[in-house]
Amino acid sequence: EVQLVESGGTLVQPGGSLRLSCATSGFTFSSYWLHWVRQTPGKGLVWVSRINGDGSSTNYADSVKGRFTISRDNAKNTLYLQMNSLRAEDTAVYYCARGVTVATITPWNYWGQGTLVTVSS
Amino acid sequence: EIVLTQSPGTLSLSPGERATLSCRASQTISSNYLAWYQQKPGQAPRLLIYGASNRATGIPDRFSGSGSGTDFTLTITRLQPEDFAVYYCQQYGSSPWTFGQGTKVQIK
Repeated sequence: EVQLVESGGTLVQPGGSLRLSCATSGFTFSSYWLHWVRQTPGKGLVWVSRINGDGSSTNYADSVKGRFTISRDNAKNTLYLQMNSLRAEDTAVYYCARGVTVATITPWNYWGQGTLVTVSS
Repeated sequence: EIVLTQSPGTLSLSPGERATLSCRASQTISSNYLAWYQQKPGQAPRLLIYGASNRATGIPDRFSGSGSGTDFTLTITRLQPEDFAVYYCQQYGSSPWTFGQGTKVQIK
C-alpha cells in the first residue's frame, strides 16, 4: 500500500525556518517525481515545488523561489522541504503528492494527510 | 501561468440530482492535461478524472469528464450523499501546475 506521511509543521515566527518531511512506503521511491502542494482557505490549492527521482532536477513556484529548497533521500524514502525566511503568507497545510505514473507529466493520485505550518509572531 | 476559473462557486443540489461543474482555462491546455479532484473536510484531495475524461482507478462511473482546449466539464449523475464536497480542476501539463478555486457541491 502506498503511503505518504508528512511531519514537521508547527508554529514559527516570521523570518524563521522549518523543515518538512514526507516519509513514504509501498512504492519504488527513487522512480517518481514528487511534489509539495499547499492549501490555504483563501487561496485554495497551490503547487509549491517538485523534484525528480534522483534529485537532479527541481522546480519552484515563484512565490517560494530562493526561500524554499526541495530535496530527497532515496535511501530513507523521504522527501523534504526546507523553508527559510518564512512569511505570514506561507501559512498553510502542506501536502506531499506522488503521480499516477513515473512520467514527468502525470496527475497526482497519492497524497499525504498534510501538515500545518503557521507563521505568526 | 495558466489560470483556471471554476463555476459556479457553490452548487446546491439534492441527492439523486445531476451536477455540472465548469472549468475554464486562460489558455489552451496541452494534450488535455486536465484533472479533477474531490476534497472533503480534513482530507487530502482525491483524484477523480485525468486527461480531461479518464476516470481514475476506483472512481464510480457516475463521475465523468469532458472538454478540450480551454473549456472542461465534470458531471456527476445521480448525486450520492458521499459526493457532497469541494471539487477542483487542475492543469498538469505545464509549470507552474495550477488549480481552480474550487466548486462546493452542497446539499440543498
